[in-house]
Amino acid sequence: ILNVEQSPQSLHVQEGDSTNFTCSFPSSNFYALHWYRWETAKSPEALFVMTLNGDEKKKGRISATLNTKEGYSYLYIKGSQPEDSATYLCAFVGGTSYGKLTFGQGTILTVHP
Amino acid sequence: ETGVTQTPRHLVMGMTNKKSLKCEQHLGHNAMYWYKQSAKKPLELMFVYSLEERVENNSVPSRFSPECPNSSHLFLHLHTLQPEDSALYLCASSQGAKMQETQYFGPGTRLLVL
Repeated sequence: ILNVEQSPQSLHVQEGDSTNFTCSFPSSNFYALHWYRWETAKSPEALFVMTLNGDEKKKGRISATLNTKEGYSYLYIKGSQPEDSATYLCAFVGGTSYGKLTFGQGTILTVHP
Repeated sequence: ETGVTQTPRHLVMGMTNKKSLKCEQHLGHNAMYWYKQSAKKPLELMFVYSLEERVENNSVPSRFSPECPNSSHLFLHLHTLQPEDSALYLCASSQGAKMQETQYFGPGTRLLVL
């Protein structure tokens, strides 16, 4: 059974704060790590797919880093805005199966105006 | 809009009913997926279809029966469900079924089994 852990479970920040959260995954048999953003009553939206150790990806104010050797990825949000409020999910892909994503439970971010 | 639609958005059914969930993708993708999210649990993969063939069945009970008649449509047929099957069911699609492919999700069907 694959263990994908996200921390913290929830986070409250003020508008303008920068924040980050963690996704931990098995360090063996790594193929890819996905990040998704899921707003309430909407569809999960893909942010990044990361495949290489040391990868850094950026999309606007959101960026992510990847360390496959120690099994973690960080997601950073710079200058949080209320519209960033959502659940952020990471999903690990390992082994030889087809695009089988194993999701973490997510970090619920609330940005207060 | 992600290009993946699901109907119905909400469904209430009794344990003896038979119902179907429908997913349609307008992205020209070749792989489609069913996921389940139960309360306070992570999203869990149920089935993967690639080019209309089932390539992954994640130990799902037979009361859930998927069908992929073509690459744009995916169904999940439900029969004799249990109350613990109440959950959010999400459909997703991707260009192919490779591990690094981005998956595009629908908005989900919220299912309540009484």
